[in-house]
Amino acid sequence: DAGVTQSPTHLIKTRGQQVTLRCSPKSGHDTVSWYQQALGQGPQFIFQYYEEEERQRGNFPDRFSGHQFPNYSSELNVNALLLGDSALYLCASSFLGTSGGEAFFGQGTRLTVV
Amino acid sequence: AQSVTQLGSHVSVSEGALVLLRCNYSSSVPPYLFWYVQYPNQGLQLLLKYTTGATLVKGINGFEAEFKKSETSFHLTKPSAHMSDAAEYFCAVSDREDTGNQFYFGTGTSLTVIP
Repeated sequence: DAGVTQSPTHLIKTRGQQVTLRCSPKSGHDTVSWYQQALGQGPQFIFQYYEEEERQRGNFPDRFSGHQFPNYSSELNVNALLLGDSALYLCASSFLGTSGGEAFFGQGTRLTVV
Repeated sequence: AQSVTQLGSHVSVSEGALVLLRCNYSSSVPPYLFWYVQYPNQGLQLLLKYTTGATLVKGINGFEAEFKKSETSFHLTKPSAHMSDAAEYFCAVSDREDTGNQFYFGTGTSLTVIP
C-alpha cells in the first residue's frame, strides 16, 4: 500500500497564475481533505471531498477549489495566486462514517509563489 | 467550535530526559484528540489518539498522552528522549459528531534533543 501520494512535491509559480495539486488517497479510503500549512504554523483545513462533492469547507476564499474523481483521487486548484498562498499543501485521506478515525497524510506539495 | 493551544513553540531537552509537550483544547462538544509528528520535509504521522475509554493513551515510539477533561488538556510525554525524536509535534482536535474527521491543529511545538 503506497499510502497517500501527492504530486508534485515542489512547485514554483508566479503571482496571478493558477496551480493544480494532486492527491491519491490510501487504498480503501473514500474521503480526501486538503490542508494549508504556512511556514511555522499548524495545518489549516481548506475543504473535504466525499463522493465527488465538497462536503465541508474551511475559511478559504473561492480562489481555492477542488475536485474528486470516481477513483477517490482529488485535485486542489488555486486561481489568481497571491504571495500569501506560499505554503505546504497537505492532503489527508480517511474513511467517512466513523468519527474519531485516523487520517493519513501525504508528504505534501511545497508551493512557492514569487 | 474547536481550537487547540500548544504552549511552547520550541522545547529543548537532553537526550534521555523527560519530554513534555503541552496541549490544551477548547471544544463545544466532547472531542477526539490527536498528536501528530512531522519530520522535516515530510507529512504528518499519527503518534496517538484519544477517542473513548482509558484516558491514558499509549502511542508509537514510546510516547503517551493523558486526556484530562477537567483541565481540558492532552499533554504528550515520553520518559526518555532520543535523538530521533527531534521533530515538529502537532496536537489536533476533531469533533465527535463529525464523521468526516476534520482536524483543528495547534501551531506546533518544535522539539530539539541535545546530545
